[in-house]
Amino acid sequence: QVQLQESGPGLVKPSETLSLTCPVSGGSINNYYWSWIRQPPGKGLEWIGYIYYSGNTNYNPSLKSRVTISVDTSKNQFSLKLNSVTAADTAVYYCARHGGGGESLAWLDPWGQGTLVTVSS
Amino acid sequence: DIVMTQSPDSLAVSLGERATINCKSSQSVLYNSNSKNYLTWYQQKPGQPPKLLIYWASTRESGVPDRFSGSGSGTDFTLTISSLQAEDVAVYYCQQYFSTPFTFGQGTKLEIK
Repeated sequence: QVQLQESGPGLVKPSETLSLTCPVSGGSINNYYWSWIRQPPGKGLEWIGYIYYSGNTNYNPSLKSRVTISVDTSKNQFSLKLNSVTAADTAVYYCARHGGGGESLAWLDPWGQGTLVTVSS
Repeated sequence: DIVMTQSPDSLAVSLGERATINCKSSQSVLYNSNSKNYLTWYQQKPGQPPKLLIYWASTRESGVPDRFSGSGSGTDFTLTISSLQAEDVAVYYCQQYFSTPFTFGQGTKLEIK
């Protein structure tokens, strides 16, 4: 059973770069699409972007200029970098796999437990 | 972007009664070549990640109780809980995976009356 768990600093200063990693356990990162999603406290869900194991990416235009998602197949993990952060980037960040079978960009399942990242000086 | 709009924003239903949540997309999420609606429903309880309930608009995920059902096509969709249980208190989200950026509804908070 595939499991994901986000890791990274819980506090980032304004104008700096938010960096998170999502190691994949219980299965291979190969042949799947993987996404990052965020949820500001008390608010709804926003898709940030996805990466295919081969490295192909697609980002939400609302964040595209600040986001980089990368994959390391040797470590079976993928990562998120969001630069020039502000208080508006404070959120719980989730990583998730796209379902529907390998090579499919469908629903999101499973999800990591999420990690709260606060942007504050 | 495809805008997903849920109604109502919040809903209070008595135990054992039916709960109905609606989701409308700003454009069709029906892919004509395979006749599938690229629409999913999630349940989110406090402090937990979203949990997949329904995909392809009406296919129940394995292990999800059969009191949960999804219906609709094109731009209008419904999640129905046929007999509300206490453990169903949560926020429910619809999401389209028809095109990027993938987008979610604003969420519907379901409570016990």
